[in-house]
Amino acid sequence: EDQVTQSPEALRLQEGESSSLNCSYTVSGLRGLFWYRQDPGKGPEFLFTLYSAGEEKEKERLKATLTKKESFLHITAPKPEDSATYLCAVQLAGSQGNLIFGKGTKLSVKP
Amino acid sequence: EAGVTQFPSHSVIEKGQTVTLRCDPISGHDNLYWYRRVMGKEIKFLLHFVKESKQDESGMPNNRFLAERTGGTYSTLKVQPAELEDSGVYFCASSPQGRHEQYFGPGTRLTVT
Repeated sequence: EDQVTQSPEALRLQEGESSSLNCSYTVSGLRGLFWYRQDPGKGPEFLFTLYSAGEEKEKERLKATLTKKESFLHITAPKPEDSATYLCAVQLAGSQGNLIFGKGTKLSVKP
Repeated sequence: EAGVTQFPSHSVIEKGQTVTLRCDPISGHDNLYWYRRVMGKEIKFLLHFVKESKQDESGMPNNRFLAERTGGTYSTLKVQPAELEDSGVYFCASSPQGRHEQYFGPGTRLTVT
């Protein structure tokens, strides 16, 4: 069965304390892996798409990487405004495009 | 550019009633998706439209759910009759043809009592 597992479920950091979020996936074939940010009461906000092992994408303090079994979202010197739930999703090769989501990692950054 | 919009933002109905959710995708986006998150679970796919045609409705839970997309523009998702387990947040997303990333609306929180 295709599935996406994110860890940890929750992460508390001090401002400036760098860390990584993990997304491991077991799928029949991967077309793409997506990272989203979700703030309370809002919809997921698109961050990155990764397509092949070894690929990296960066945006401000965030960097996403991909291997054949997992993806990491590295947060460098986080700020309180980075606090949110980060969602990982995969799109299967040969699918019509629907996303399979993990449960997310809730990140809290304290000043 | 306006984002994906959804209406209403919240809906509270009694078991057995009917509710219709609306989604307006980003202008020009042919692909429209519906997802749902029930409490404590991950977001799950319901169905996918390409323009006005249903491309994939494998995630629809049962025949109490009916989705339409009029003229390939906005979409509605009707639940009739609603059951307690239908409570959750319903998200709509859209993407342009040829692109894989999906842009989500703010969601509709449905509570069935």
